Amino acid sequence: ETGVTQSPTHLIKTRGQQVTLRCSSQSGHNTVSWYQQALGQGPQFIFQYYREEENGRGNFPPRFSGLQFPNYSSELNVNALELDDSALYLCASSADRARQETQYFGPGTRLLVL
Amino acid sequence: AQKVTQAQTEISVVEKEDVTLDCVYETRDTTYYLFWYKQPPSGELVFLIRRNSFDEQNEISGRYSWNFQKSTSSFNFTITASQVVDSAVYFCALGETSGSRLTFGEGTQLTVNP
Repeated sequence: ETGVTQSPTHLIKTRGQQVTLRCSSQSGHNTVSWYQQALGQGPQFIFQYYREEENGRGNFPPRFSGLQFPNYSSELNVNALELDDSALYLCASSADRARQETQYFGPGTRLLVL
Repeated sequence: AQKVTQAQTEISVVEKEDVTLDCVYETRDTTYYLFWYKQPPSGELVFLIRRNSFDEQNEISGRYSWNFQKSTSSFNFTITASQVVDSAVYFCALGETSGSRLTFGEGTQLTVNP
């Protein structure tokens, strides 16, 4: 196990609602990255947080937002949910973005939007 | 733009056969990082290996081996004497110099039959 935890494990929401997903990074890691994985596809980069600031963002609309806390845990918030937001959301932590450290993934949160 | 291509969508082998998973990448960076991850049905991405672009030495770890060829932009993964427990989706990923995003391929579903 990587030591990266995510909650909740599963979530069902309806279109238009808002959702918050949580991630605790591995001890000693200061960088958290979020990915969306649609069924049958590879993970797509959403954004990364390094020392509480956003560092890099993928091709996702502003309704996808995040936070990183002083203990380096992180949240992913999605507003105005759409059916296409149904996916596995993966969080990854790494020791230090500046050193291009390897990203270690958590078990993911499966989100279903009805 | 970074791109990773895993041309093999699905591979099915019989236990004890050797199998090679192909990965071809595109990048304009002179320094970059390549990864292989395994995703079992549970969904968590398990880190297997990391290779830096300036290190072309091939690597063997037990039944796993990796062949990095910069000249052909390929980073192939071979499992020797496959086992049923190797059944999973395998992803090749490209990391950029900034240490932020990973760009994943679409994955190869490997099924090892007894």
